[in-house]
Amino acid sequence: DQQVKQNSPSLSVQEGRISILNCDYTNSMFDYFLWYKKYPAEGPTFLISISSIKDKNEDGRFTVFLNKSAKHLSLHIVPSQPGDSAVYFCAASARGGTSYGKLTFGQGTILTVHP
Amino acid sequence: DVKVTQSSRYLVKRTGEKVFLECVQDMDHENMFWYRQDPGLGLRLIYFSYDVKMKEKGDIPEGYSVSREKKERFSLILESASTNQTSMYLCASSFDPSYGYTFGSGTRLTVV
Repeated sequence: DQQVKQNSPSLSVQEGRISILNCDYTNSMFDYFLWYKKYPAEGPTFLISISSIKDKNEDGRFTVFLNKSAKHLSLHIVPSQPGDSAVYFCAASARGGTSYGKLTFGQGTILTVHP
Repeated sequence: DVKVTQSSRYLVKRTGEKVFLECVQDMDHENMFWYRQDPGLGLRLIYFSYDVKMKEKGDIPEGYSVSREKKERFSLILESASTNQTSMYLCASSFDPSYGYTFGSGTRLTVV
């Protein structure tokens, strides 16, 4: 049961354009969402997060949008740079209940930004 | 910054061997996790621990065990390595898991 889904395995964009990575979830108990970035042969690093009480969070070139009714979130990168080329993982947690807050990850999207 | 250190970056082991993957964190976090990453499957939780000597199964615990004798160290054990355990293994720690983790650099394990 894949509770967090990233349906696009890969995305290719031109340098300077916008990258939009999408993520859907099914568990209505999720109330905190994160994006991680991973380079080959390295561990994932935290990028940006959003609480369910918000619908947008911005940090420099990165913005995360949350649509709770659609159970959908997206990560926008503007402008995209070649150094953004990596695997991006969406993750979610439920801070109450029995899940102890552990993160559930999506399958990842490989972003390639061409110069 | 929190540092999570995994003892090996690359390992090659033979089928049937007992394999130990070590992870150490330096920020006194109670919560530690082991994931594996496979293409198309994302990060899947193997085991986690919320305290010394405490362990909980994740989503894919079969073929693995863990040990947490000290707060800073969380070990993943492959009792009898098999080729389908060839993967990238990621350790993470956290003060509050619901707000995210800090990951180690990963161990790329190949079982031949």
